[in-house]
Amino acid sequence: AQSVTQLDSHVSVSEGTPVLLRCNYSSSYSPSLFWYVQHPNKGLQLLLKYTSAATLVKGINGFEAEFKKSETSFHLTKPSAHMSDAAEYFCVVSRFGNEKLTFGTGTRLTIIP
Amino acid sequence: GAVVSQHPSWVICKSGTSVKIECRSLDFQATTMFWYRQFPKQSLMLMATSNEGSKATYEQGVEKDKFLINHASLTLSTLTVTSAHPEDSSFYICSASGGREKLFFGSGTQLSVL
Repeated sequence: AQSVTQLDSHVSVSEGTPVLLRCNYSSSYSPSLFWYVQHPNKGLQLLLKYTSAATLVKGINGFEAEFKKSETSFHLTKPSAHMSDAAEYFCVVSRFGNEKLTFGTGTRLTIIP
Repeated sequence: GAVVSQHPSWVICKSGTSVKIECRSLDFQATTMFWYRQFPKQSLMLMATSNEGSKATYEQGVEKDKFLINHASLTLSTLTVTSAHPEDSSFYICSASGGREKLFFGSGTQLSVL
């Protein structure tokens, strides 16, 4: 069984300040973990993924996430927020890469000018 | 890069009619396609998994006779919502897998049933 919990349904940060979106997972095996972004009325875009290689994963648009097995966490960070980062972010877990994905409930990121 | 095309992007239909949504992989062969449903302010929920040439596998609670899935080729899967009702109004999104490192999502279809 697998599940993922996004700890914040909504996060607001000022432009130029750091972003932290929190995600905890539960899995009975070594999971694959992903972060996807969804802009309004658009499909999902993969930001980054962890598949048992390096624990610090760098993604697109300056985002990165660190896999911490001891804390069962996979938090998403970005040093400096941009207005274009405003979107819905989903933390996702699966057993083997592209197998059945389990989505978190999402975190809406708002950027304050 | 690889692209998954989903059509239509939005559709409005009358209650009782059927609606077909297409999902195409444009530059790779998708051995497996997934269909998700997303209600407002909720997460994506997997509805079914379809493999080319075989019957789709539906998640618990999803009516297979209502949500017909056809995966007739390696580049096309269709979802037909039969006898749609207002409670079927939702955002439907597909994803296509071309192997372990290839998984891409379509842009989604917003279905509104009047």
